[in-house]
Amino acid sequence: GAVVSQHPSRVICKSGTSVKIECRSLDFQATTMFWYRQFPKQSLMLMATSNEGSKATYEQGVEKDKFLINHASLTLSTLTVTSAHPEDSSFYICSALSGRVNTEAFFGQGTRLTVV
Amino acid sequence: KQEVTQIPAALSVPEGENLVLNCSFTDSAIYNLQWFRQDPGKGLTSLLLIQSSQREQTSGRLNASLDKSSGRSTLYIAASQPGDSATYLCAVIDQAGTALIFGKGTTLSVSS
Repeated sequence: GAVVSQHPSRVICKSGTSVKIECRSLDFQATTMFWYRQFPKQSLMLMATSNEGSKATYEQGVEKDKFLINHASLTLSTLTVTSAHPEDSSFYICSALSGRVNTEAFFGQGTRLTVV
Repeated sequence: KQEVTQIPAALSVPEGENLVLNCSFTDSAIYNLQWFRQDPGKGLTSLLLIQSSQREQTSGRLNASLDKSSGRSTLYIAASQPGDSATYLCAVIDQAGTALIFGKGTTLSVSS
């Protein structure tokens, strides 16, 4: 099946710094990618939907200036957490939709972000 | 706005039991429905994809059904094993194929 690679899998950063998370579709072109956040023992929370070549659509309550999303190509989307705070510590997962006819969602393995 | 609900939120069963996880959605205009598995602290693994024109999909001990008109899907797990312990999520893809909406999941615990 299709593969979505997410990097890094774990990152620890200091408060105030920025962290970039990459999401790549390795063997298919993904016109739409999603970024999710997951708190411990809770379900996935959709943060934003990104479409290649256009601005991301953010869900209500998600700060656009804090969570910068760039979907510059059909195989790469990035999420940058700017000026990170300890409350940004979470598990972030990206997903990409494959195909037009048999659309299926594939997920990266997630990034565990810890802000100290 | 599409809403996806999963019942029960948690389920504990002894090894060997057959079990059913339920997923319901409010808008029947969906493109596909997928079932996923998530192990603690890990990403998601896709289990089964049912296209809107299909009624069910099977993979090994797993069988997923879809009734679009009633807005329901079930995931049937036969002869459960401790390794099946995980959180199971269902998600619908909207008709435009551009939105993926999740339920909150069912956390399954299978004891040996």
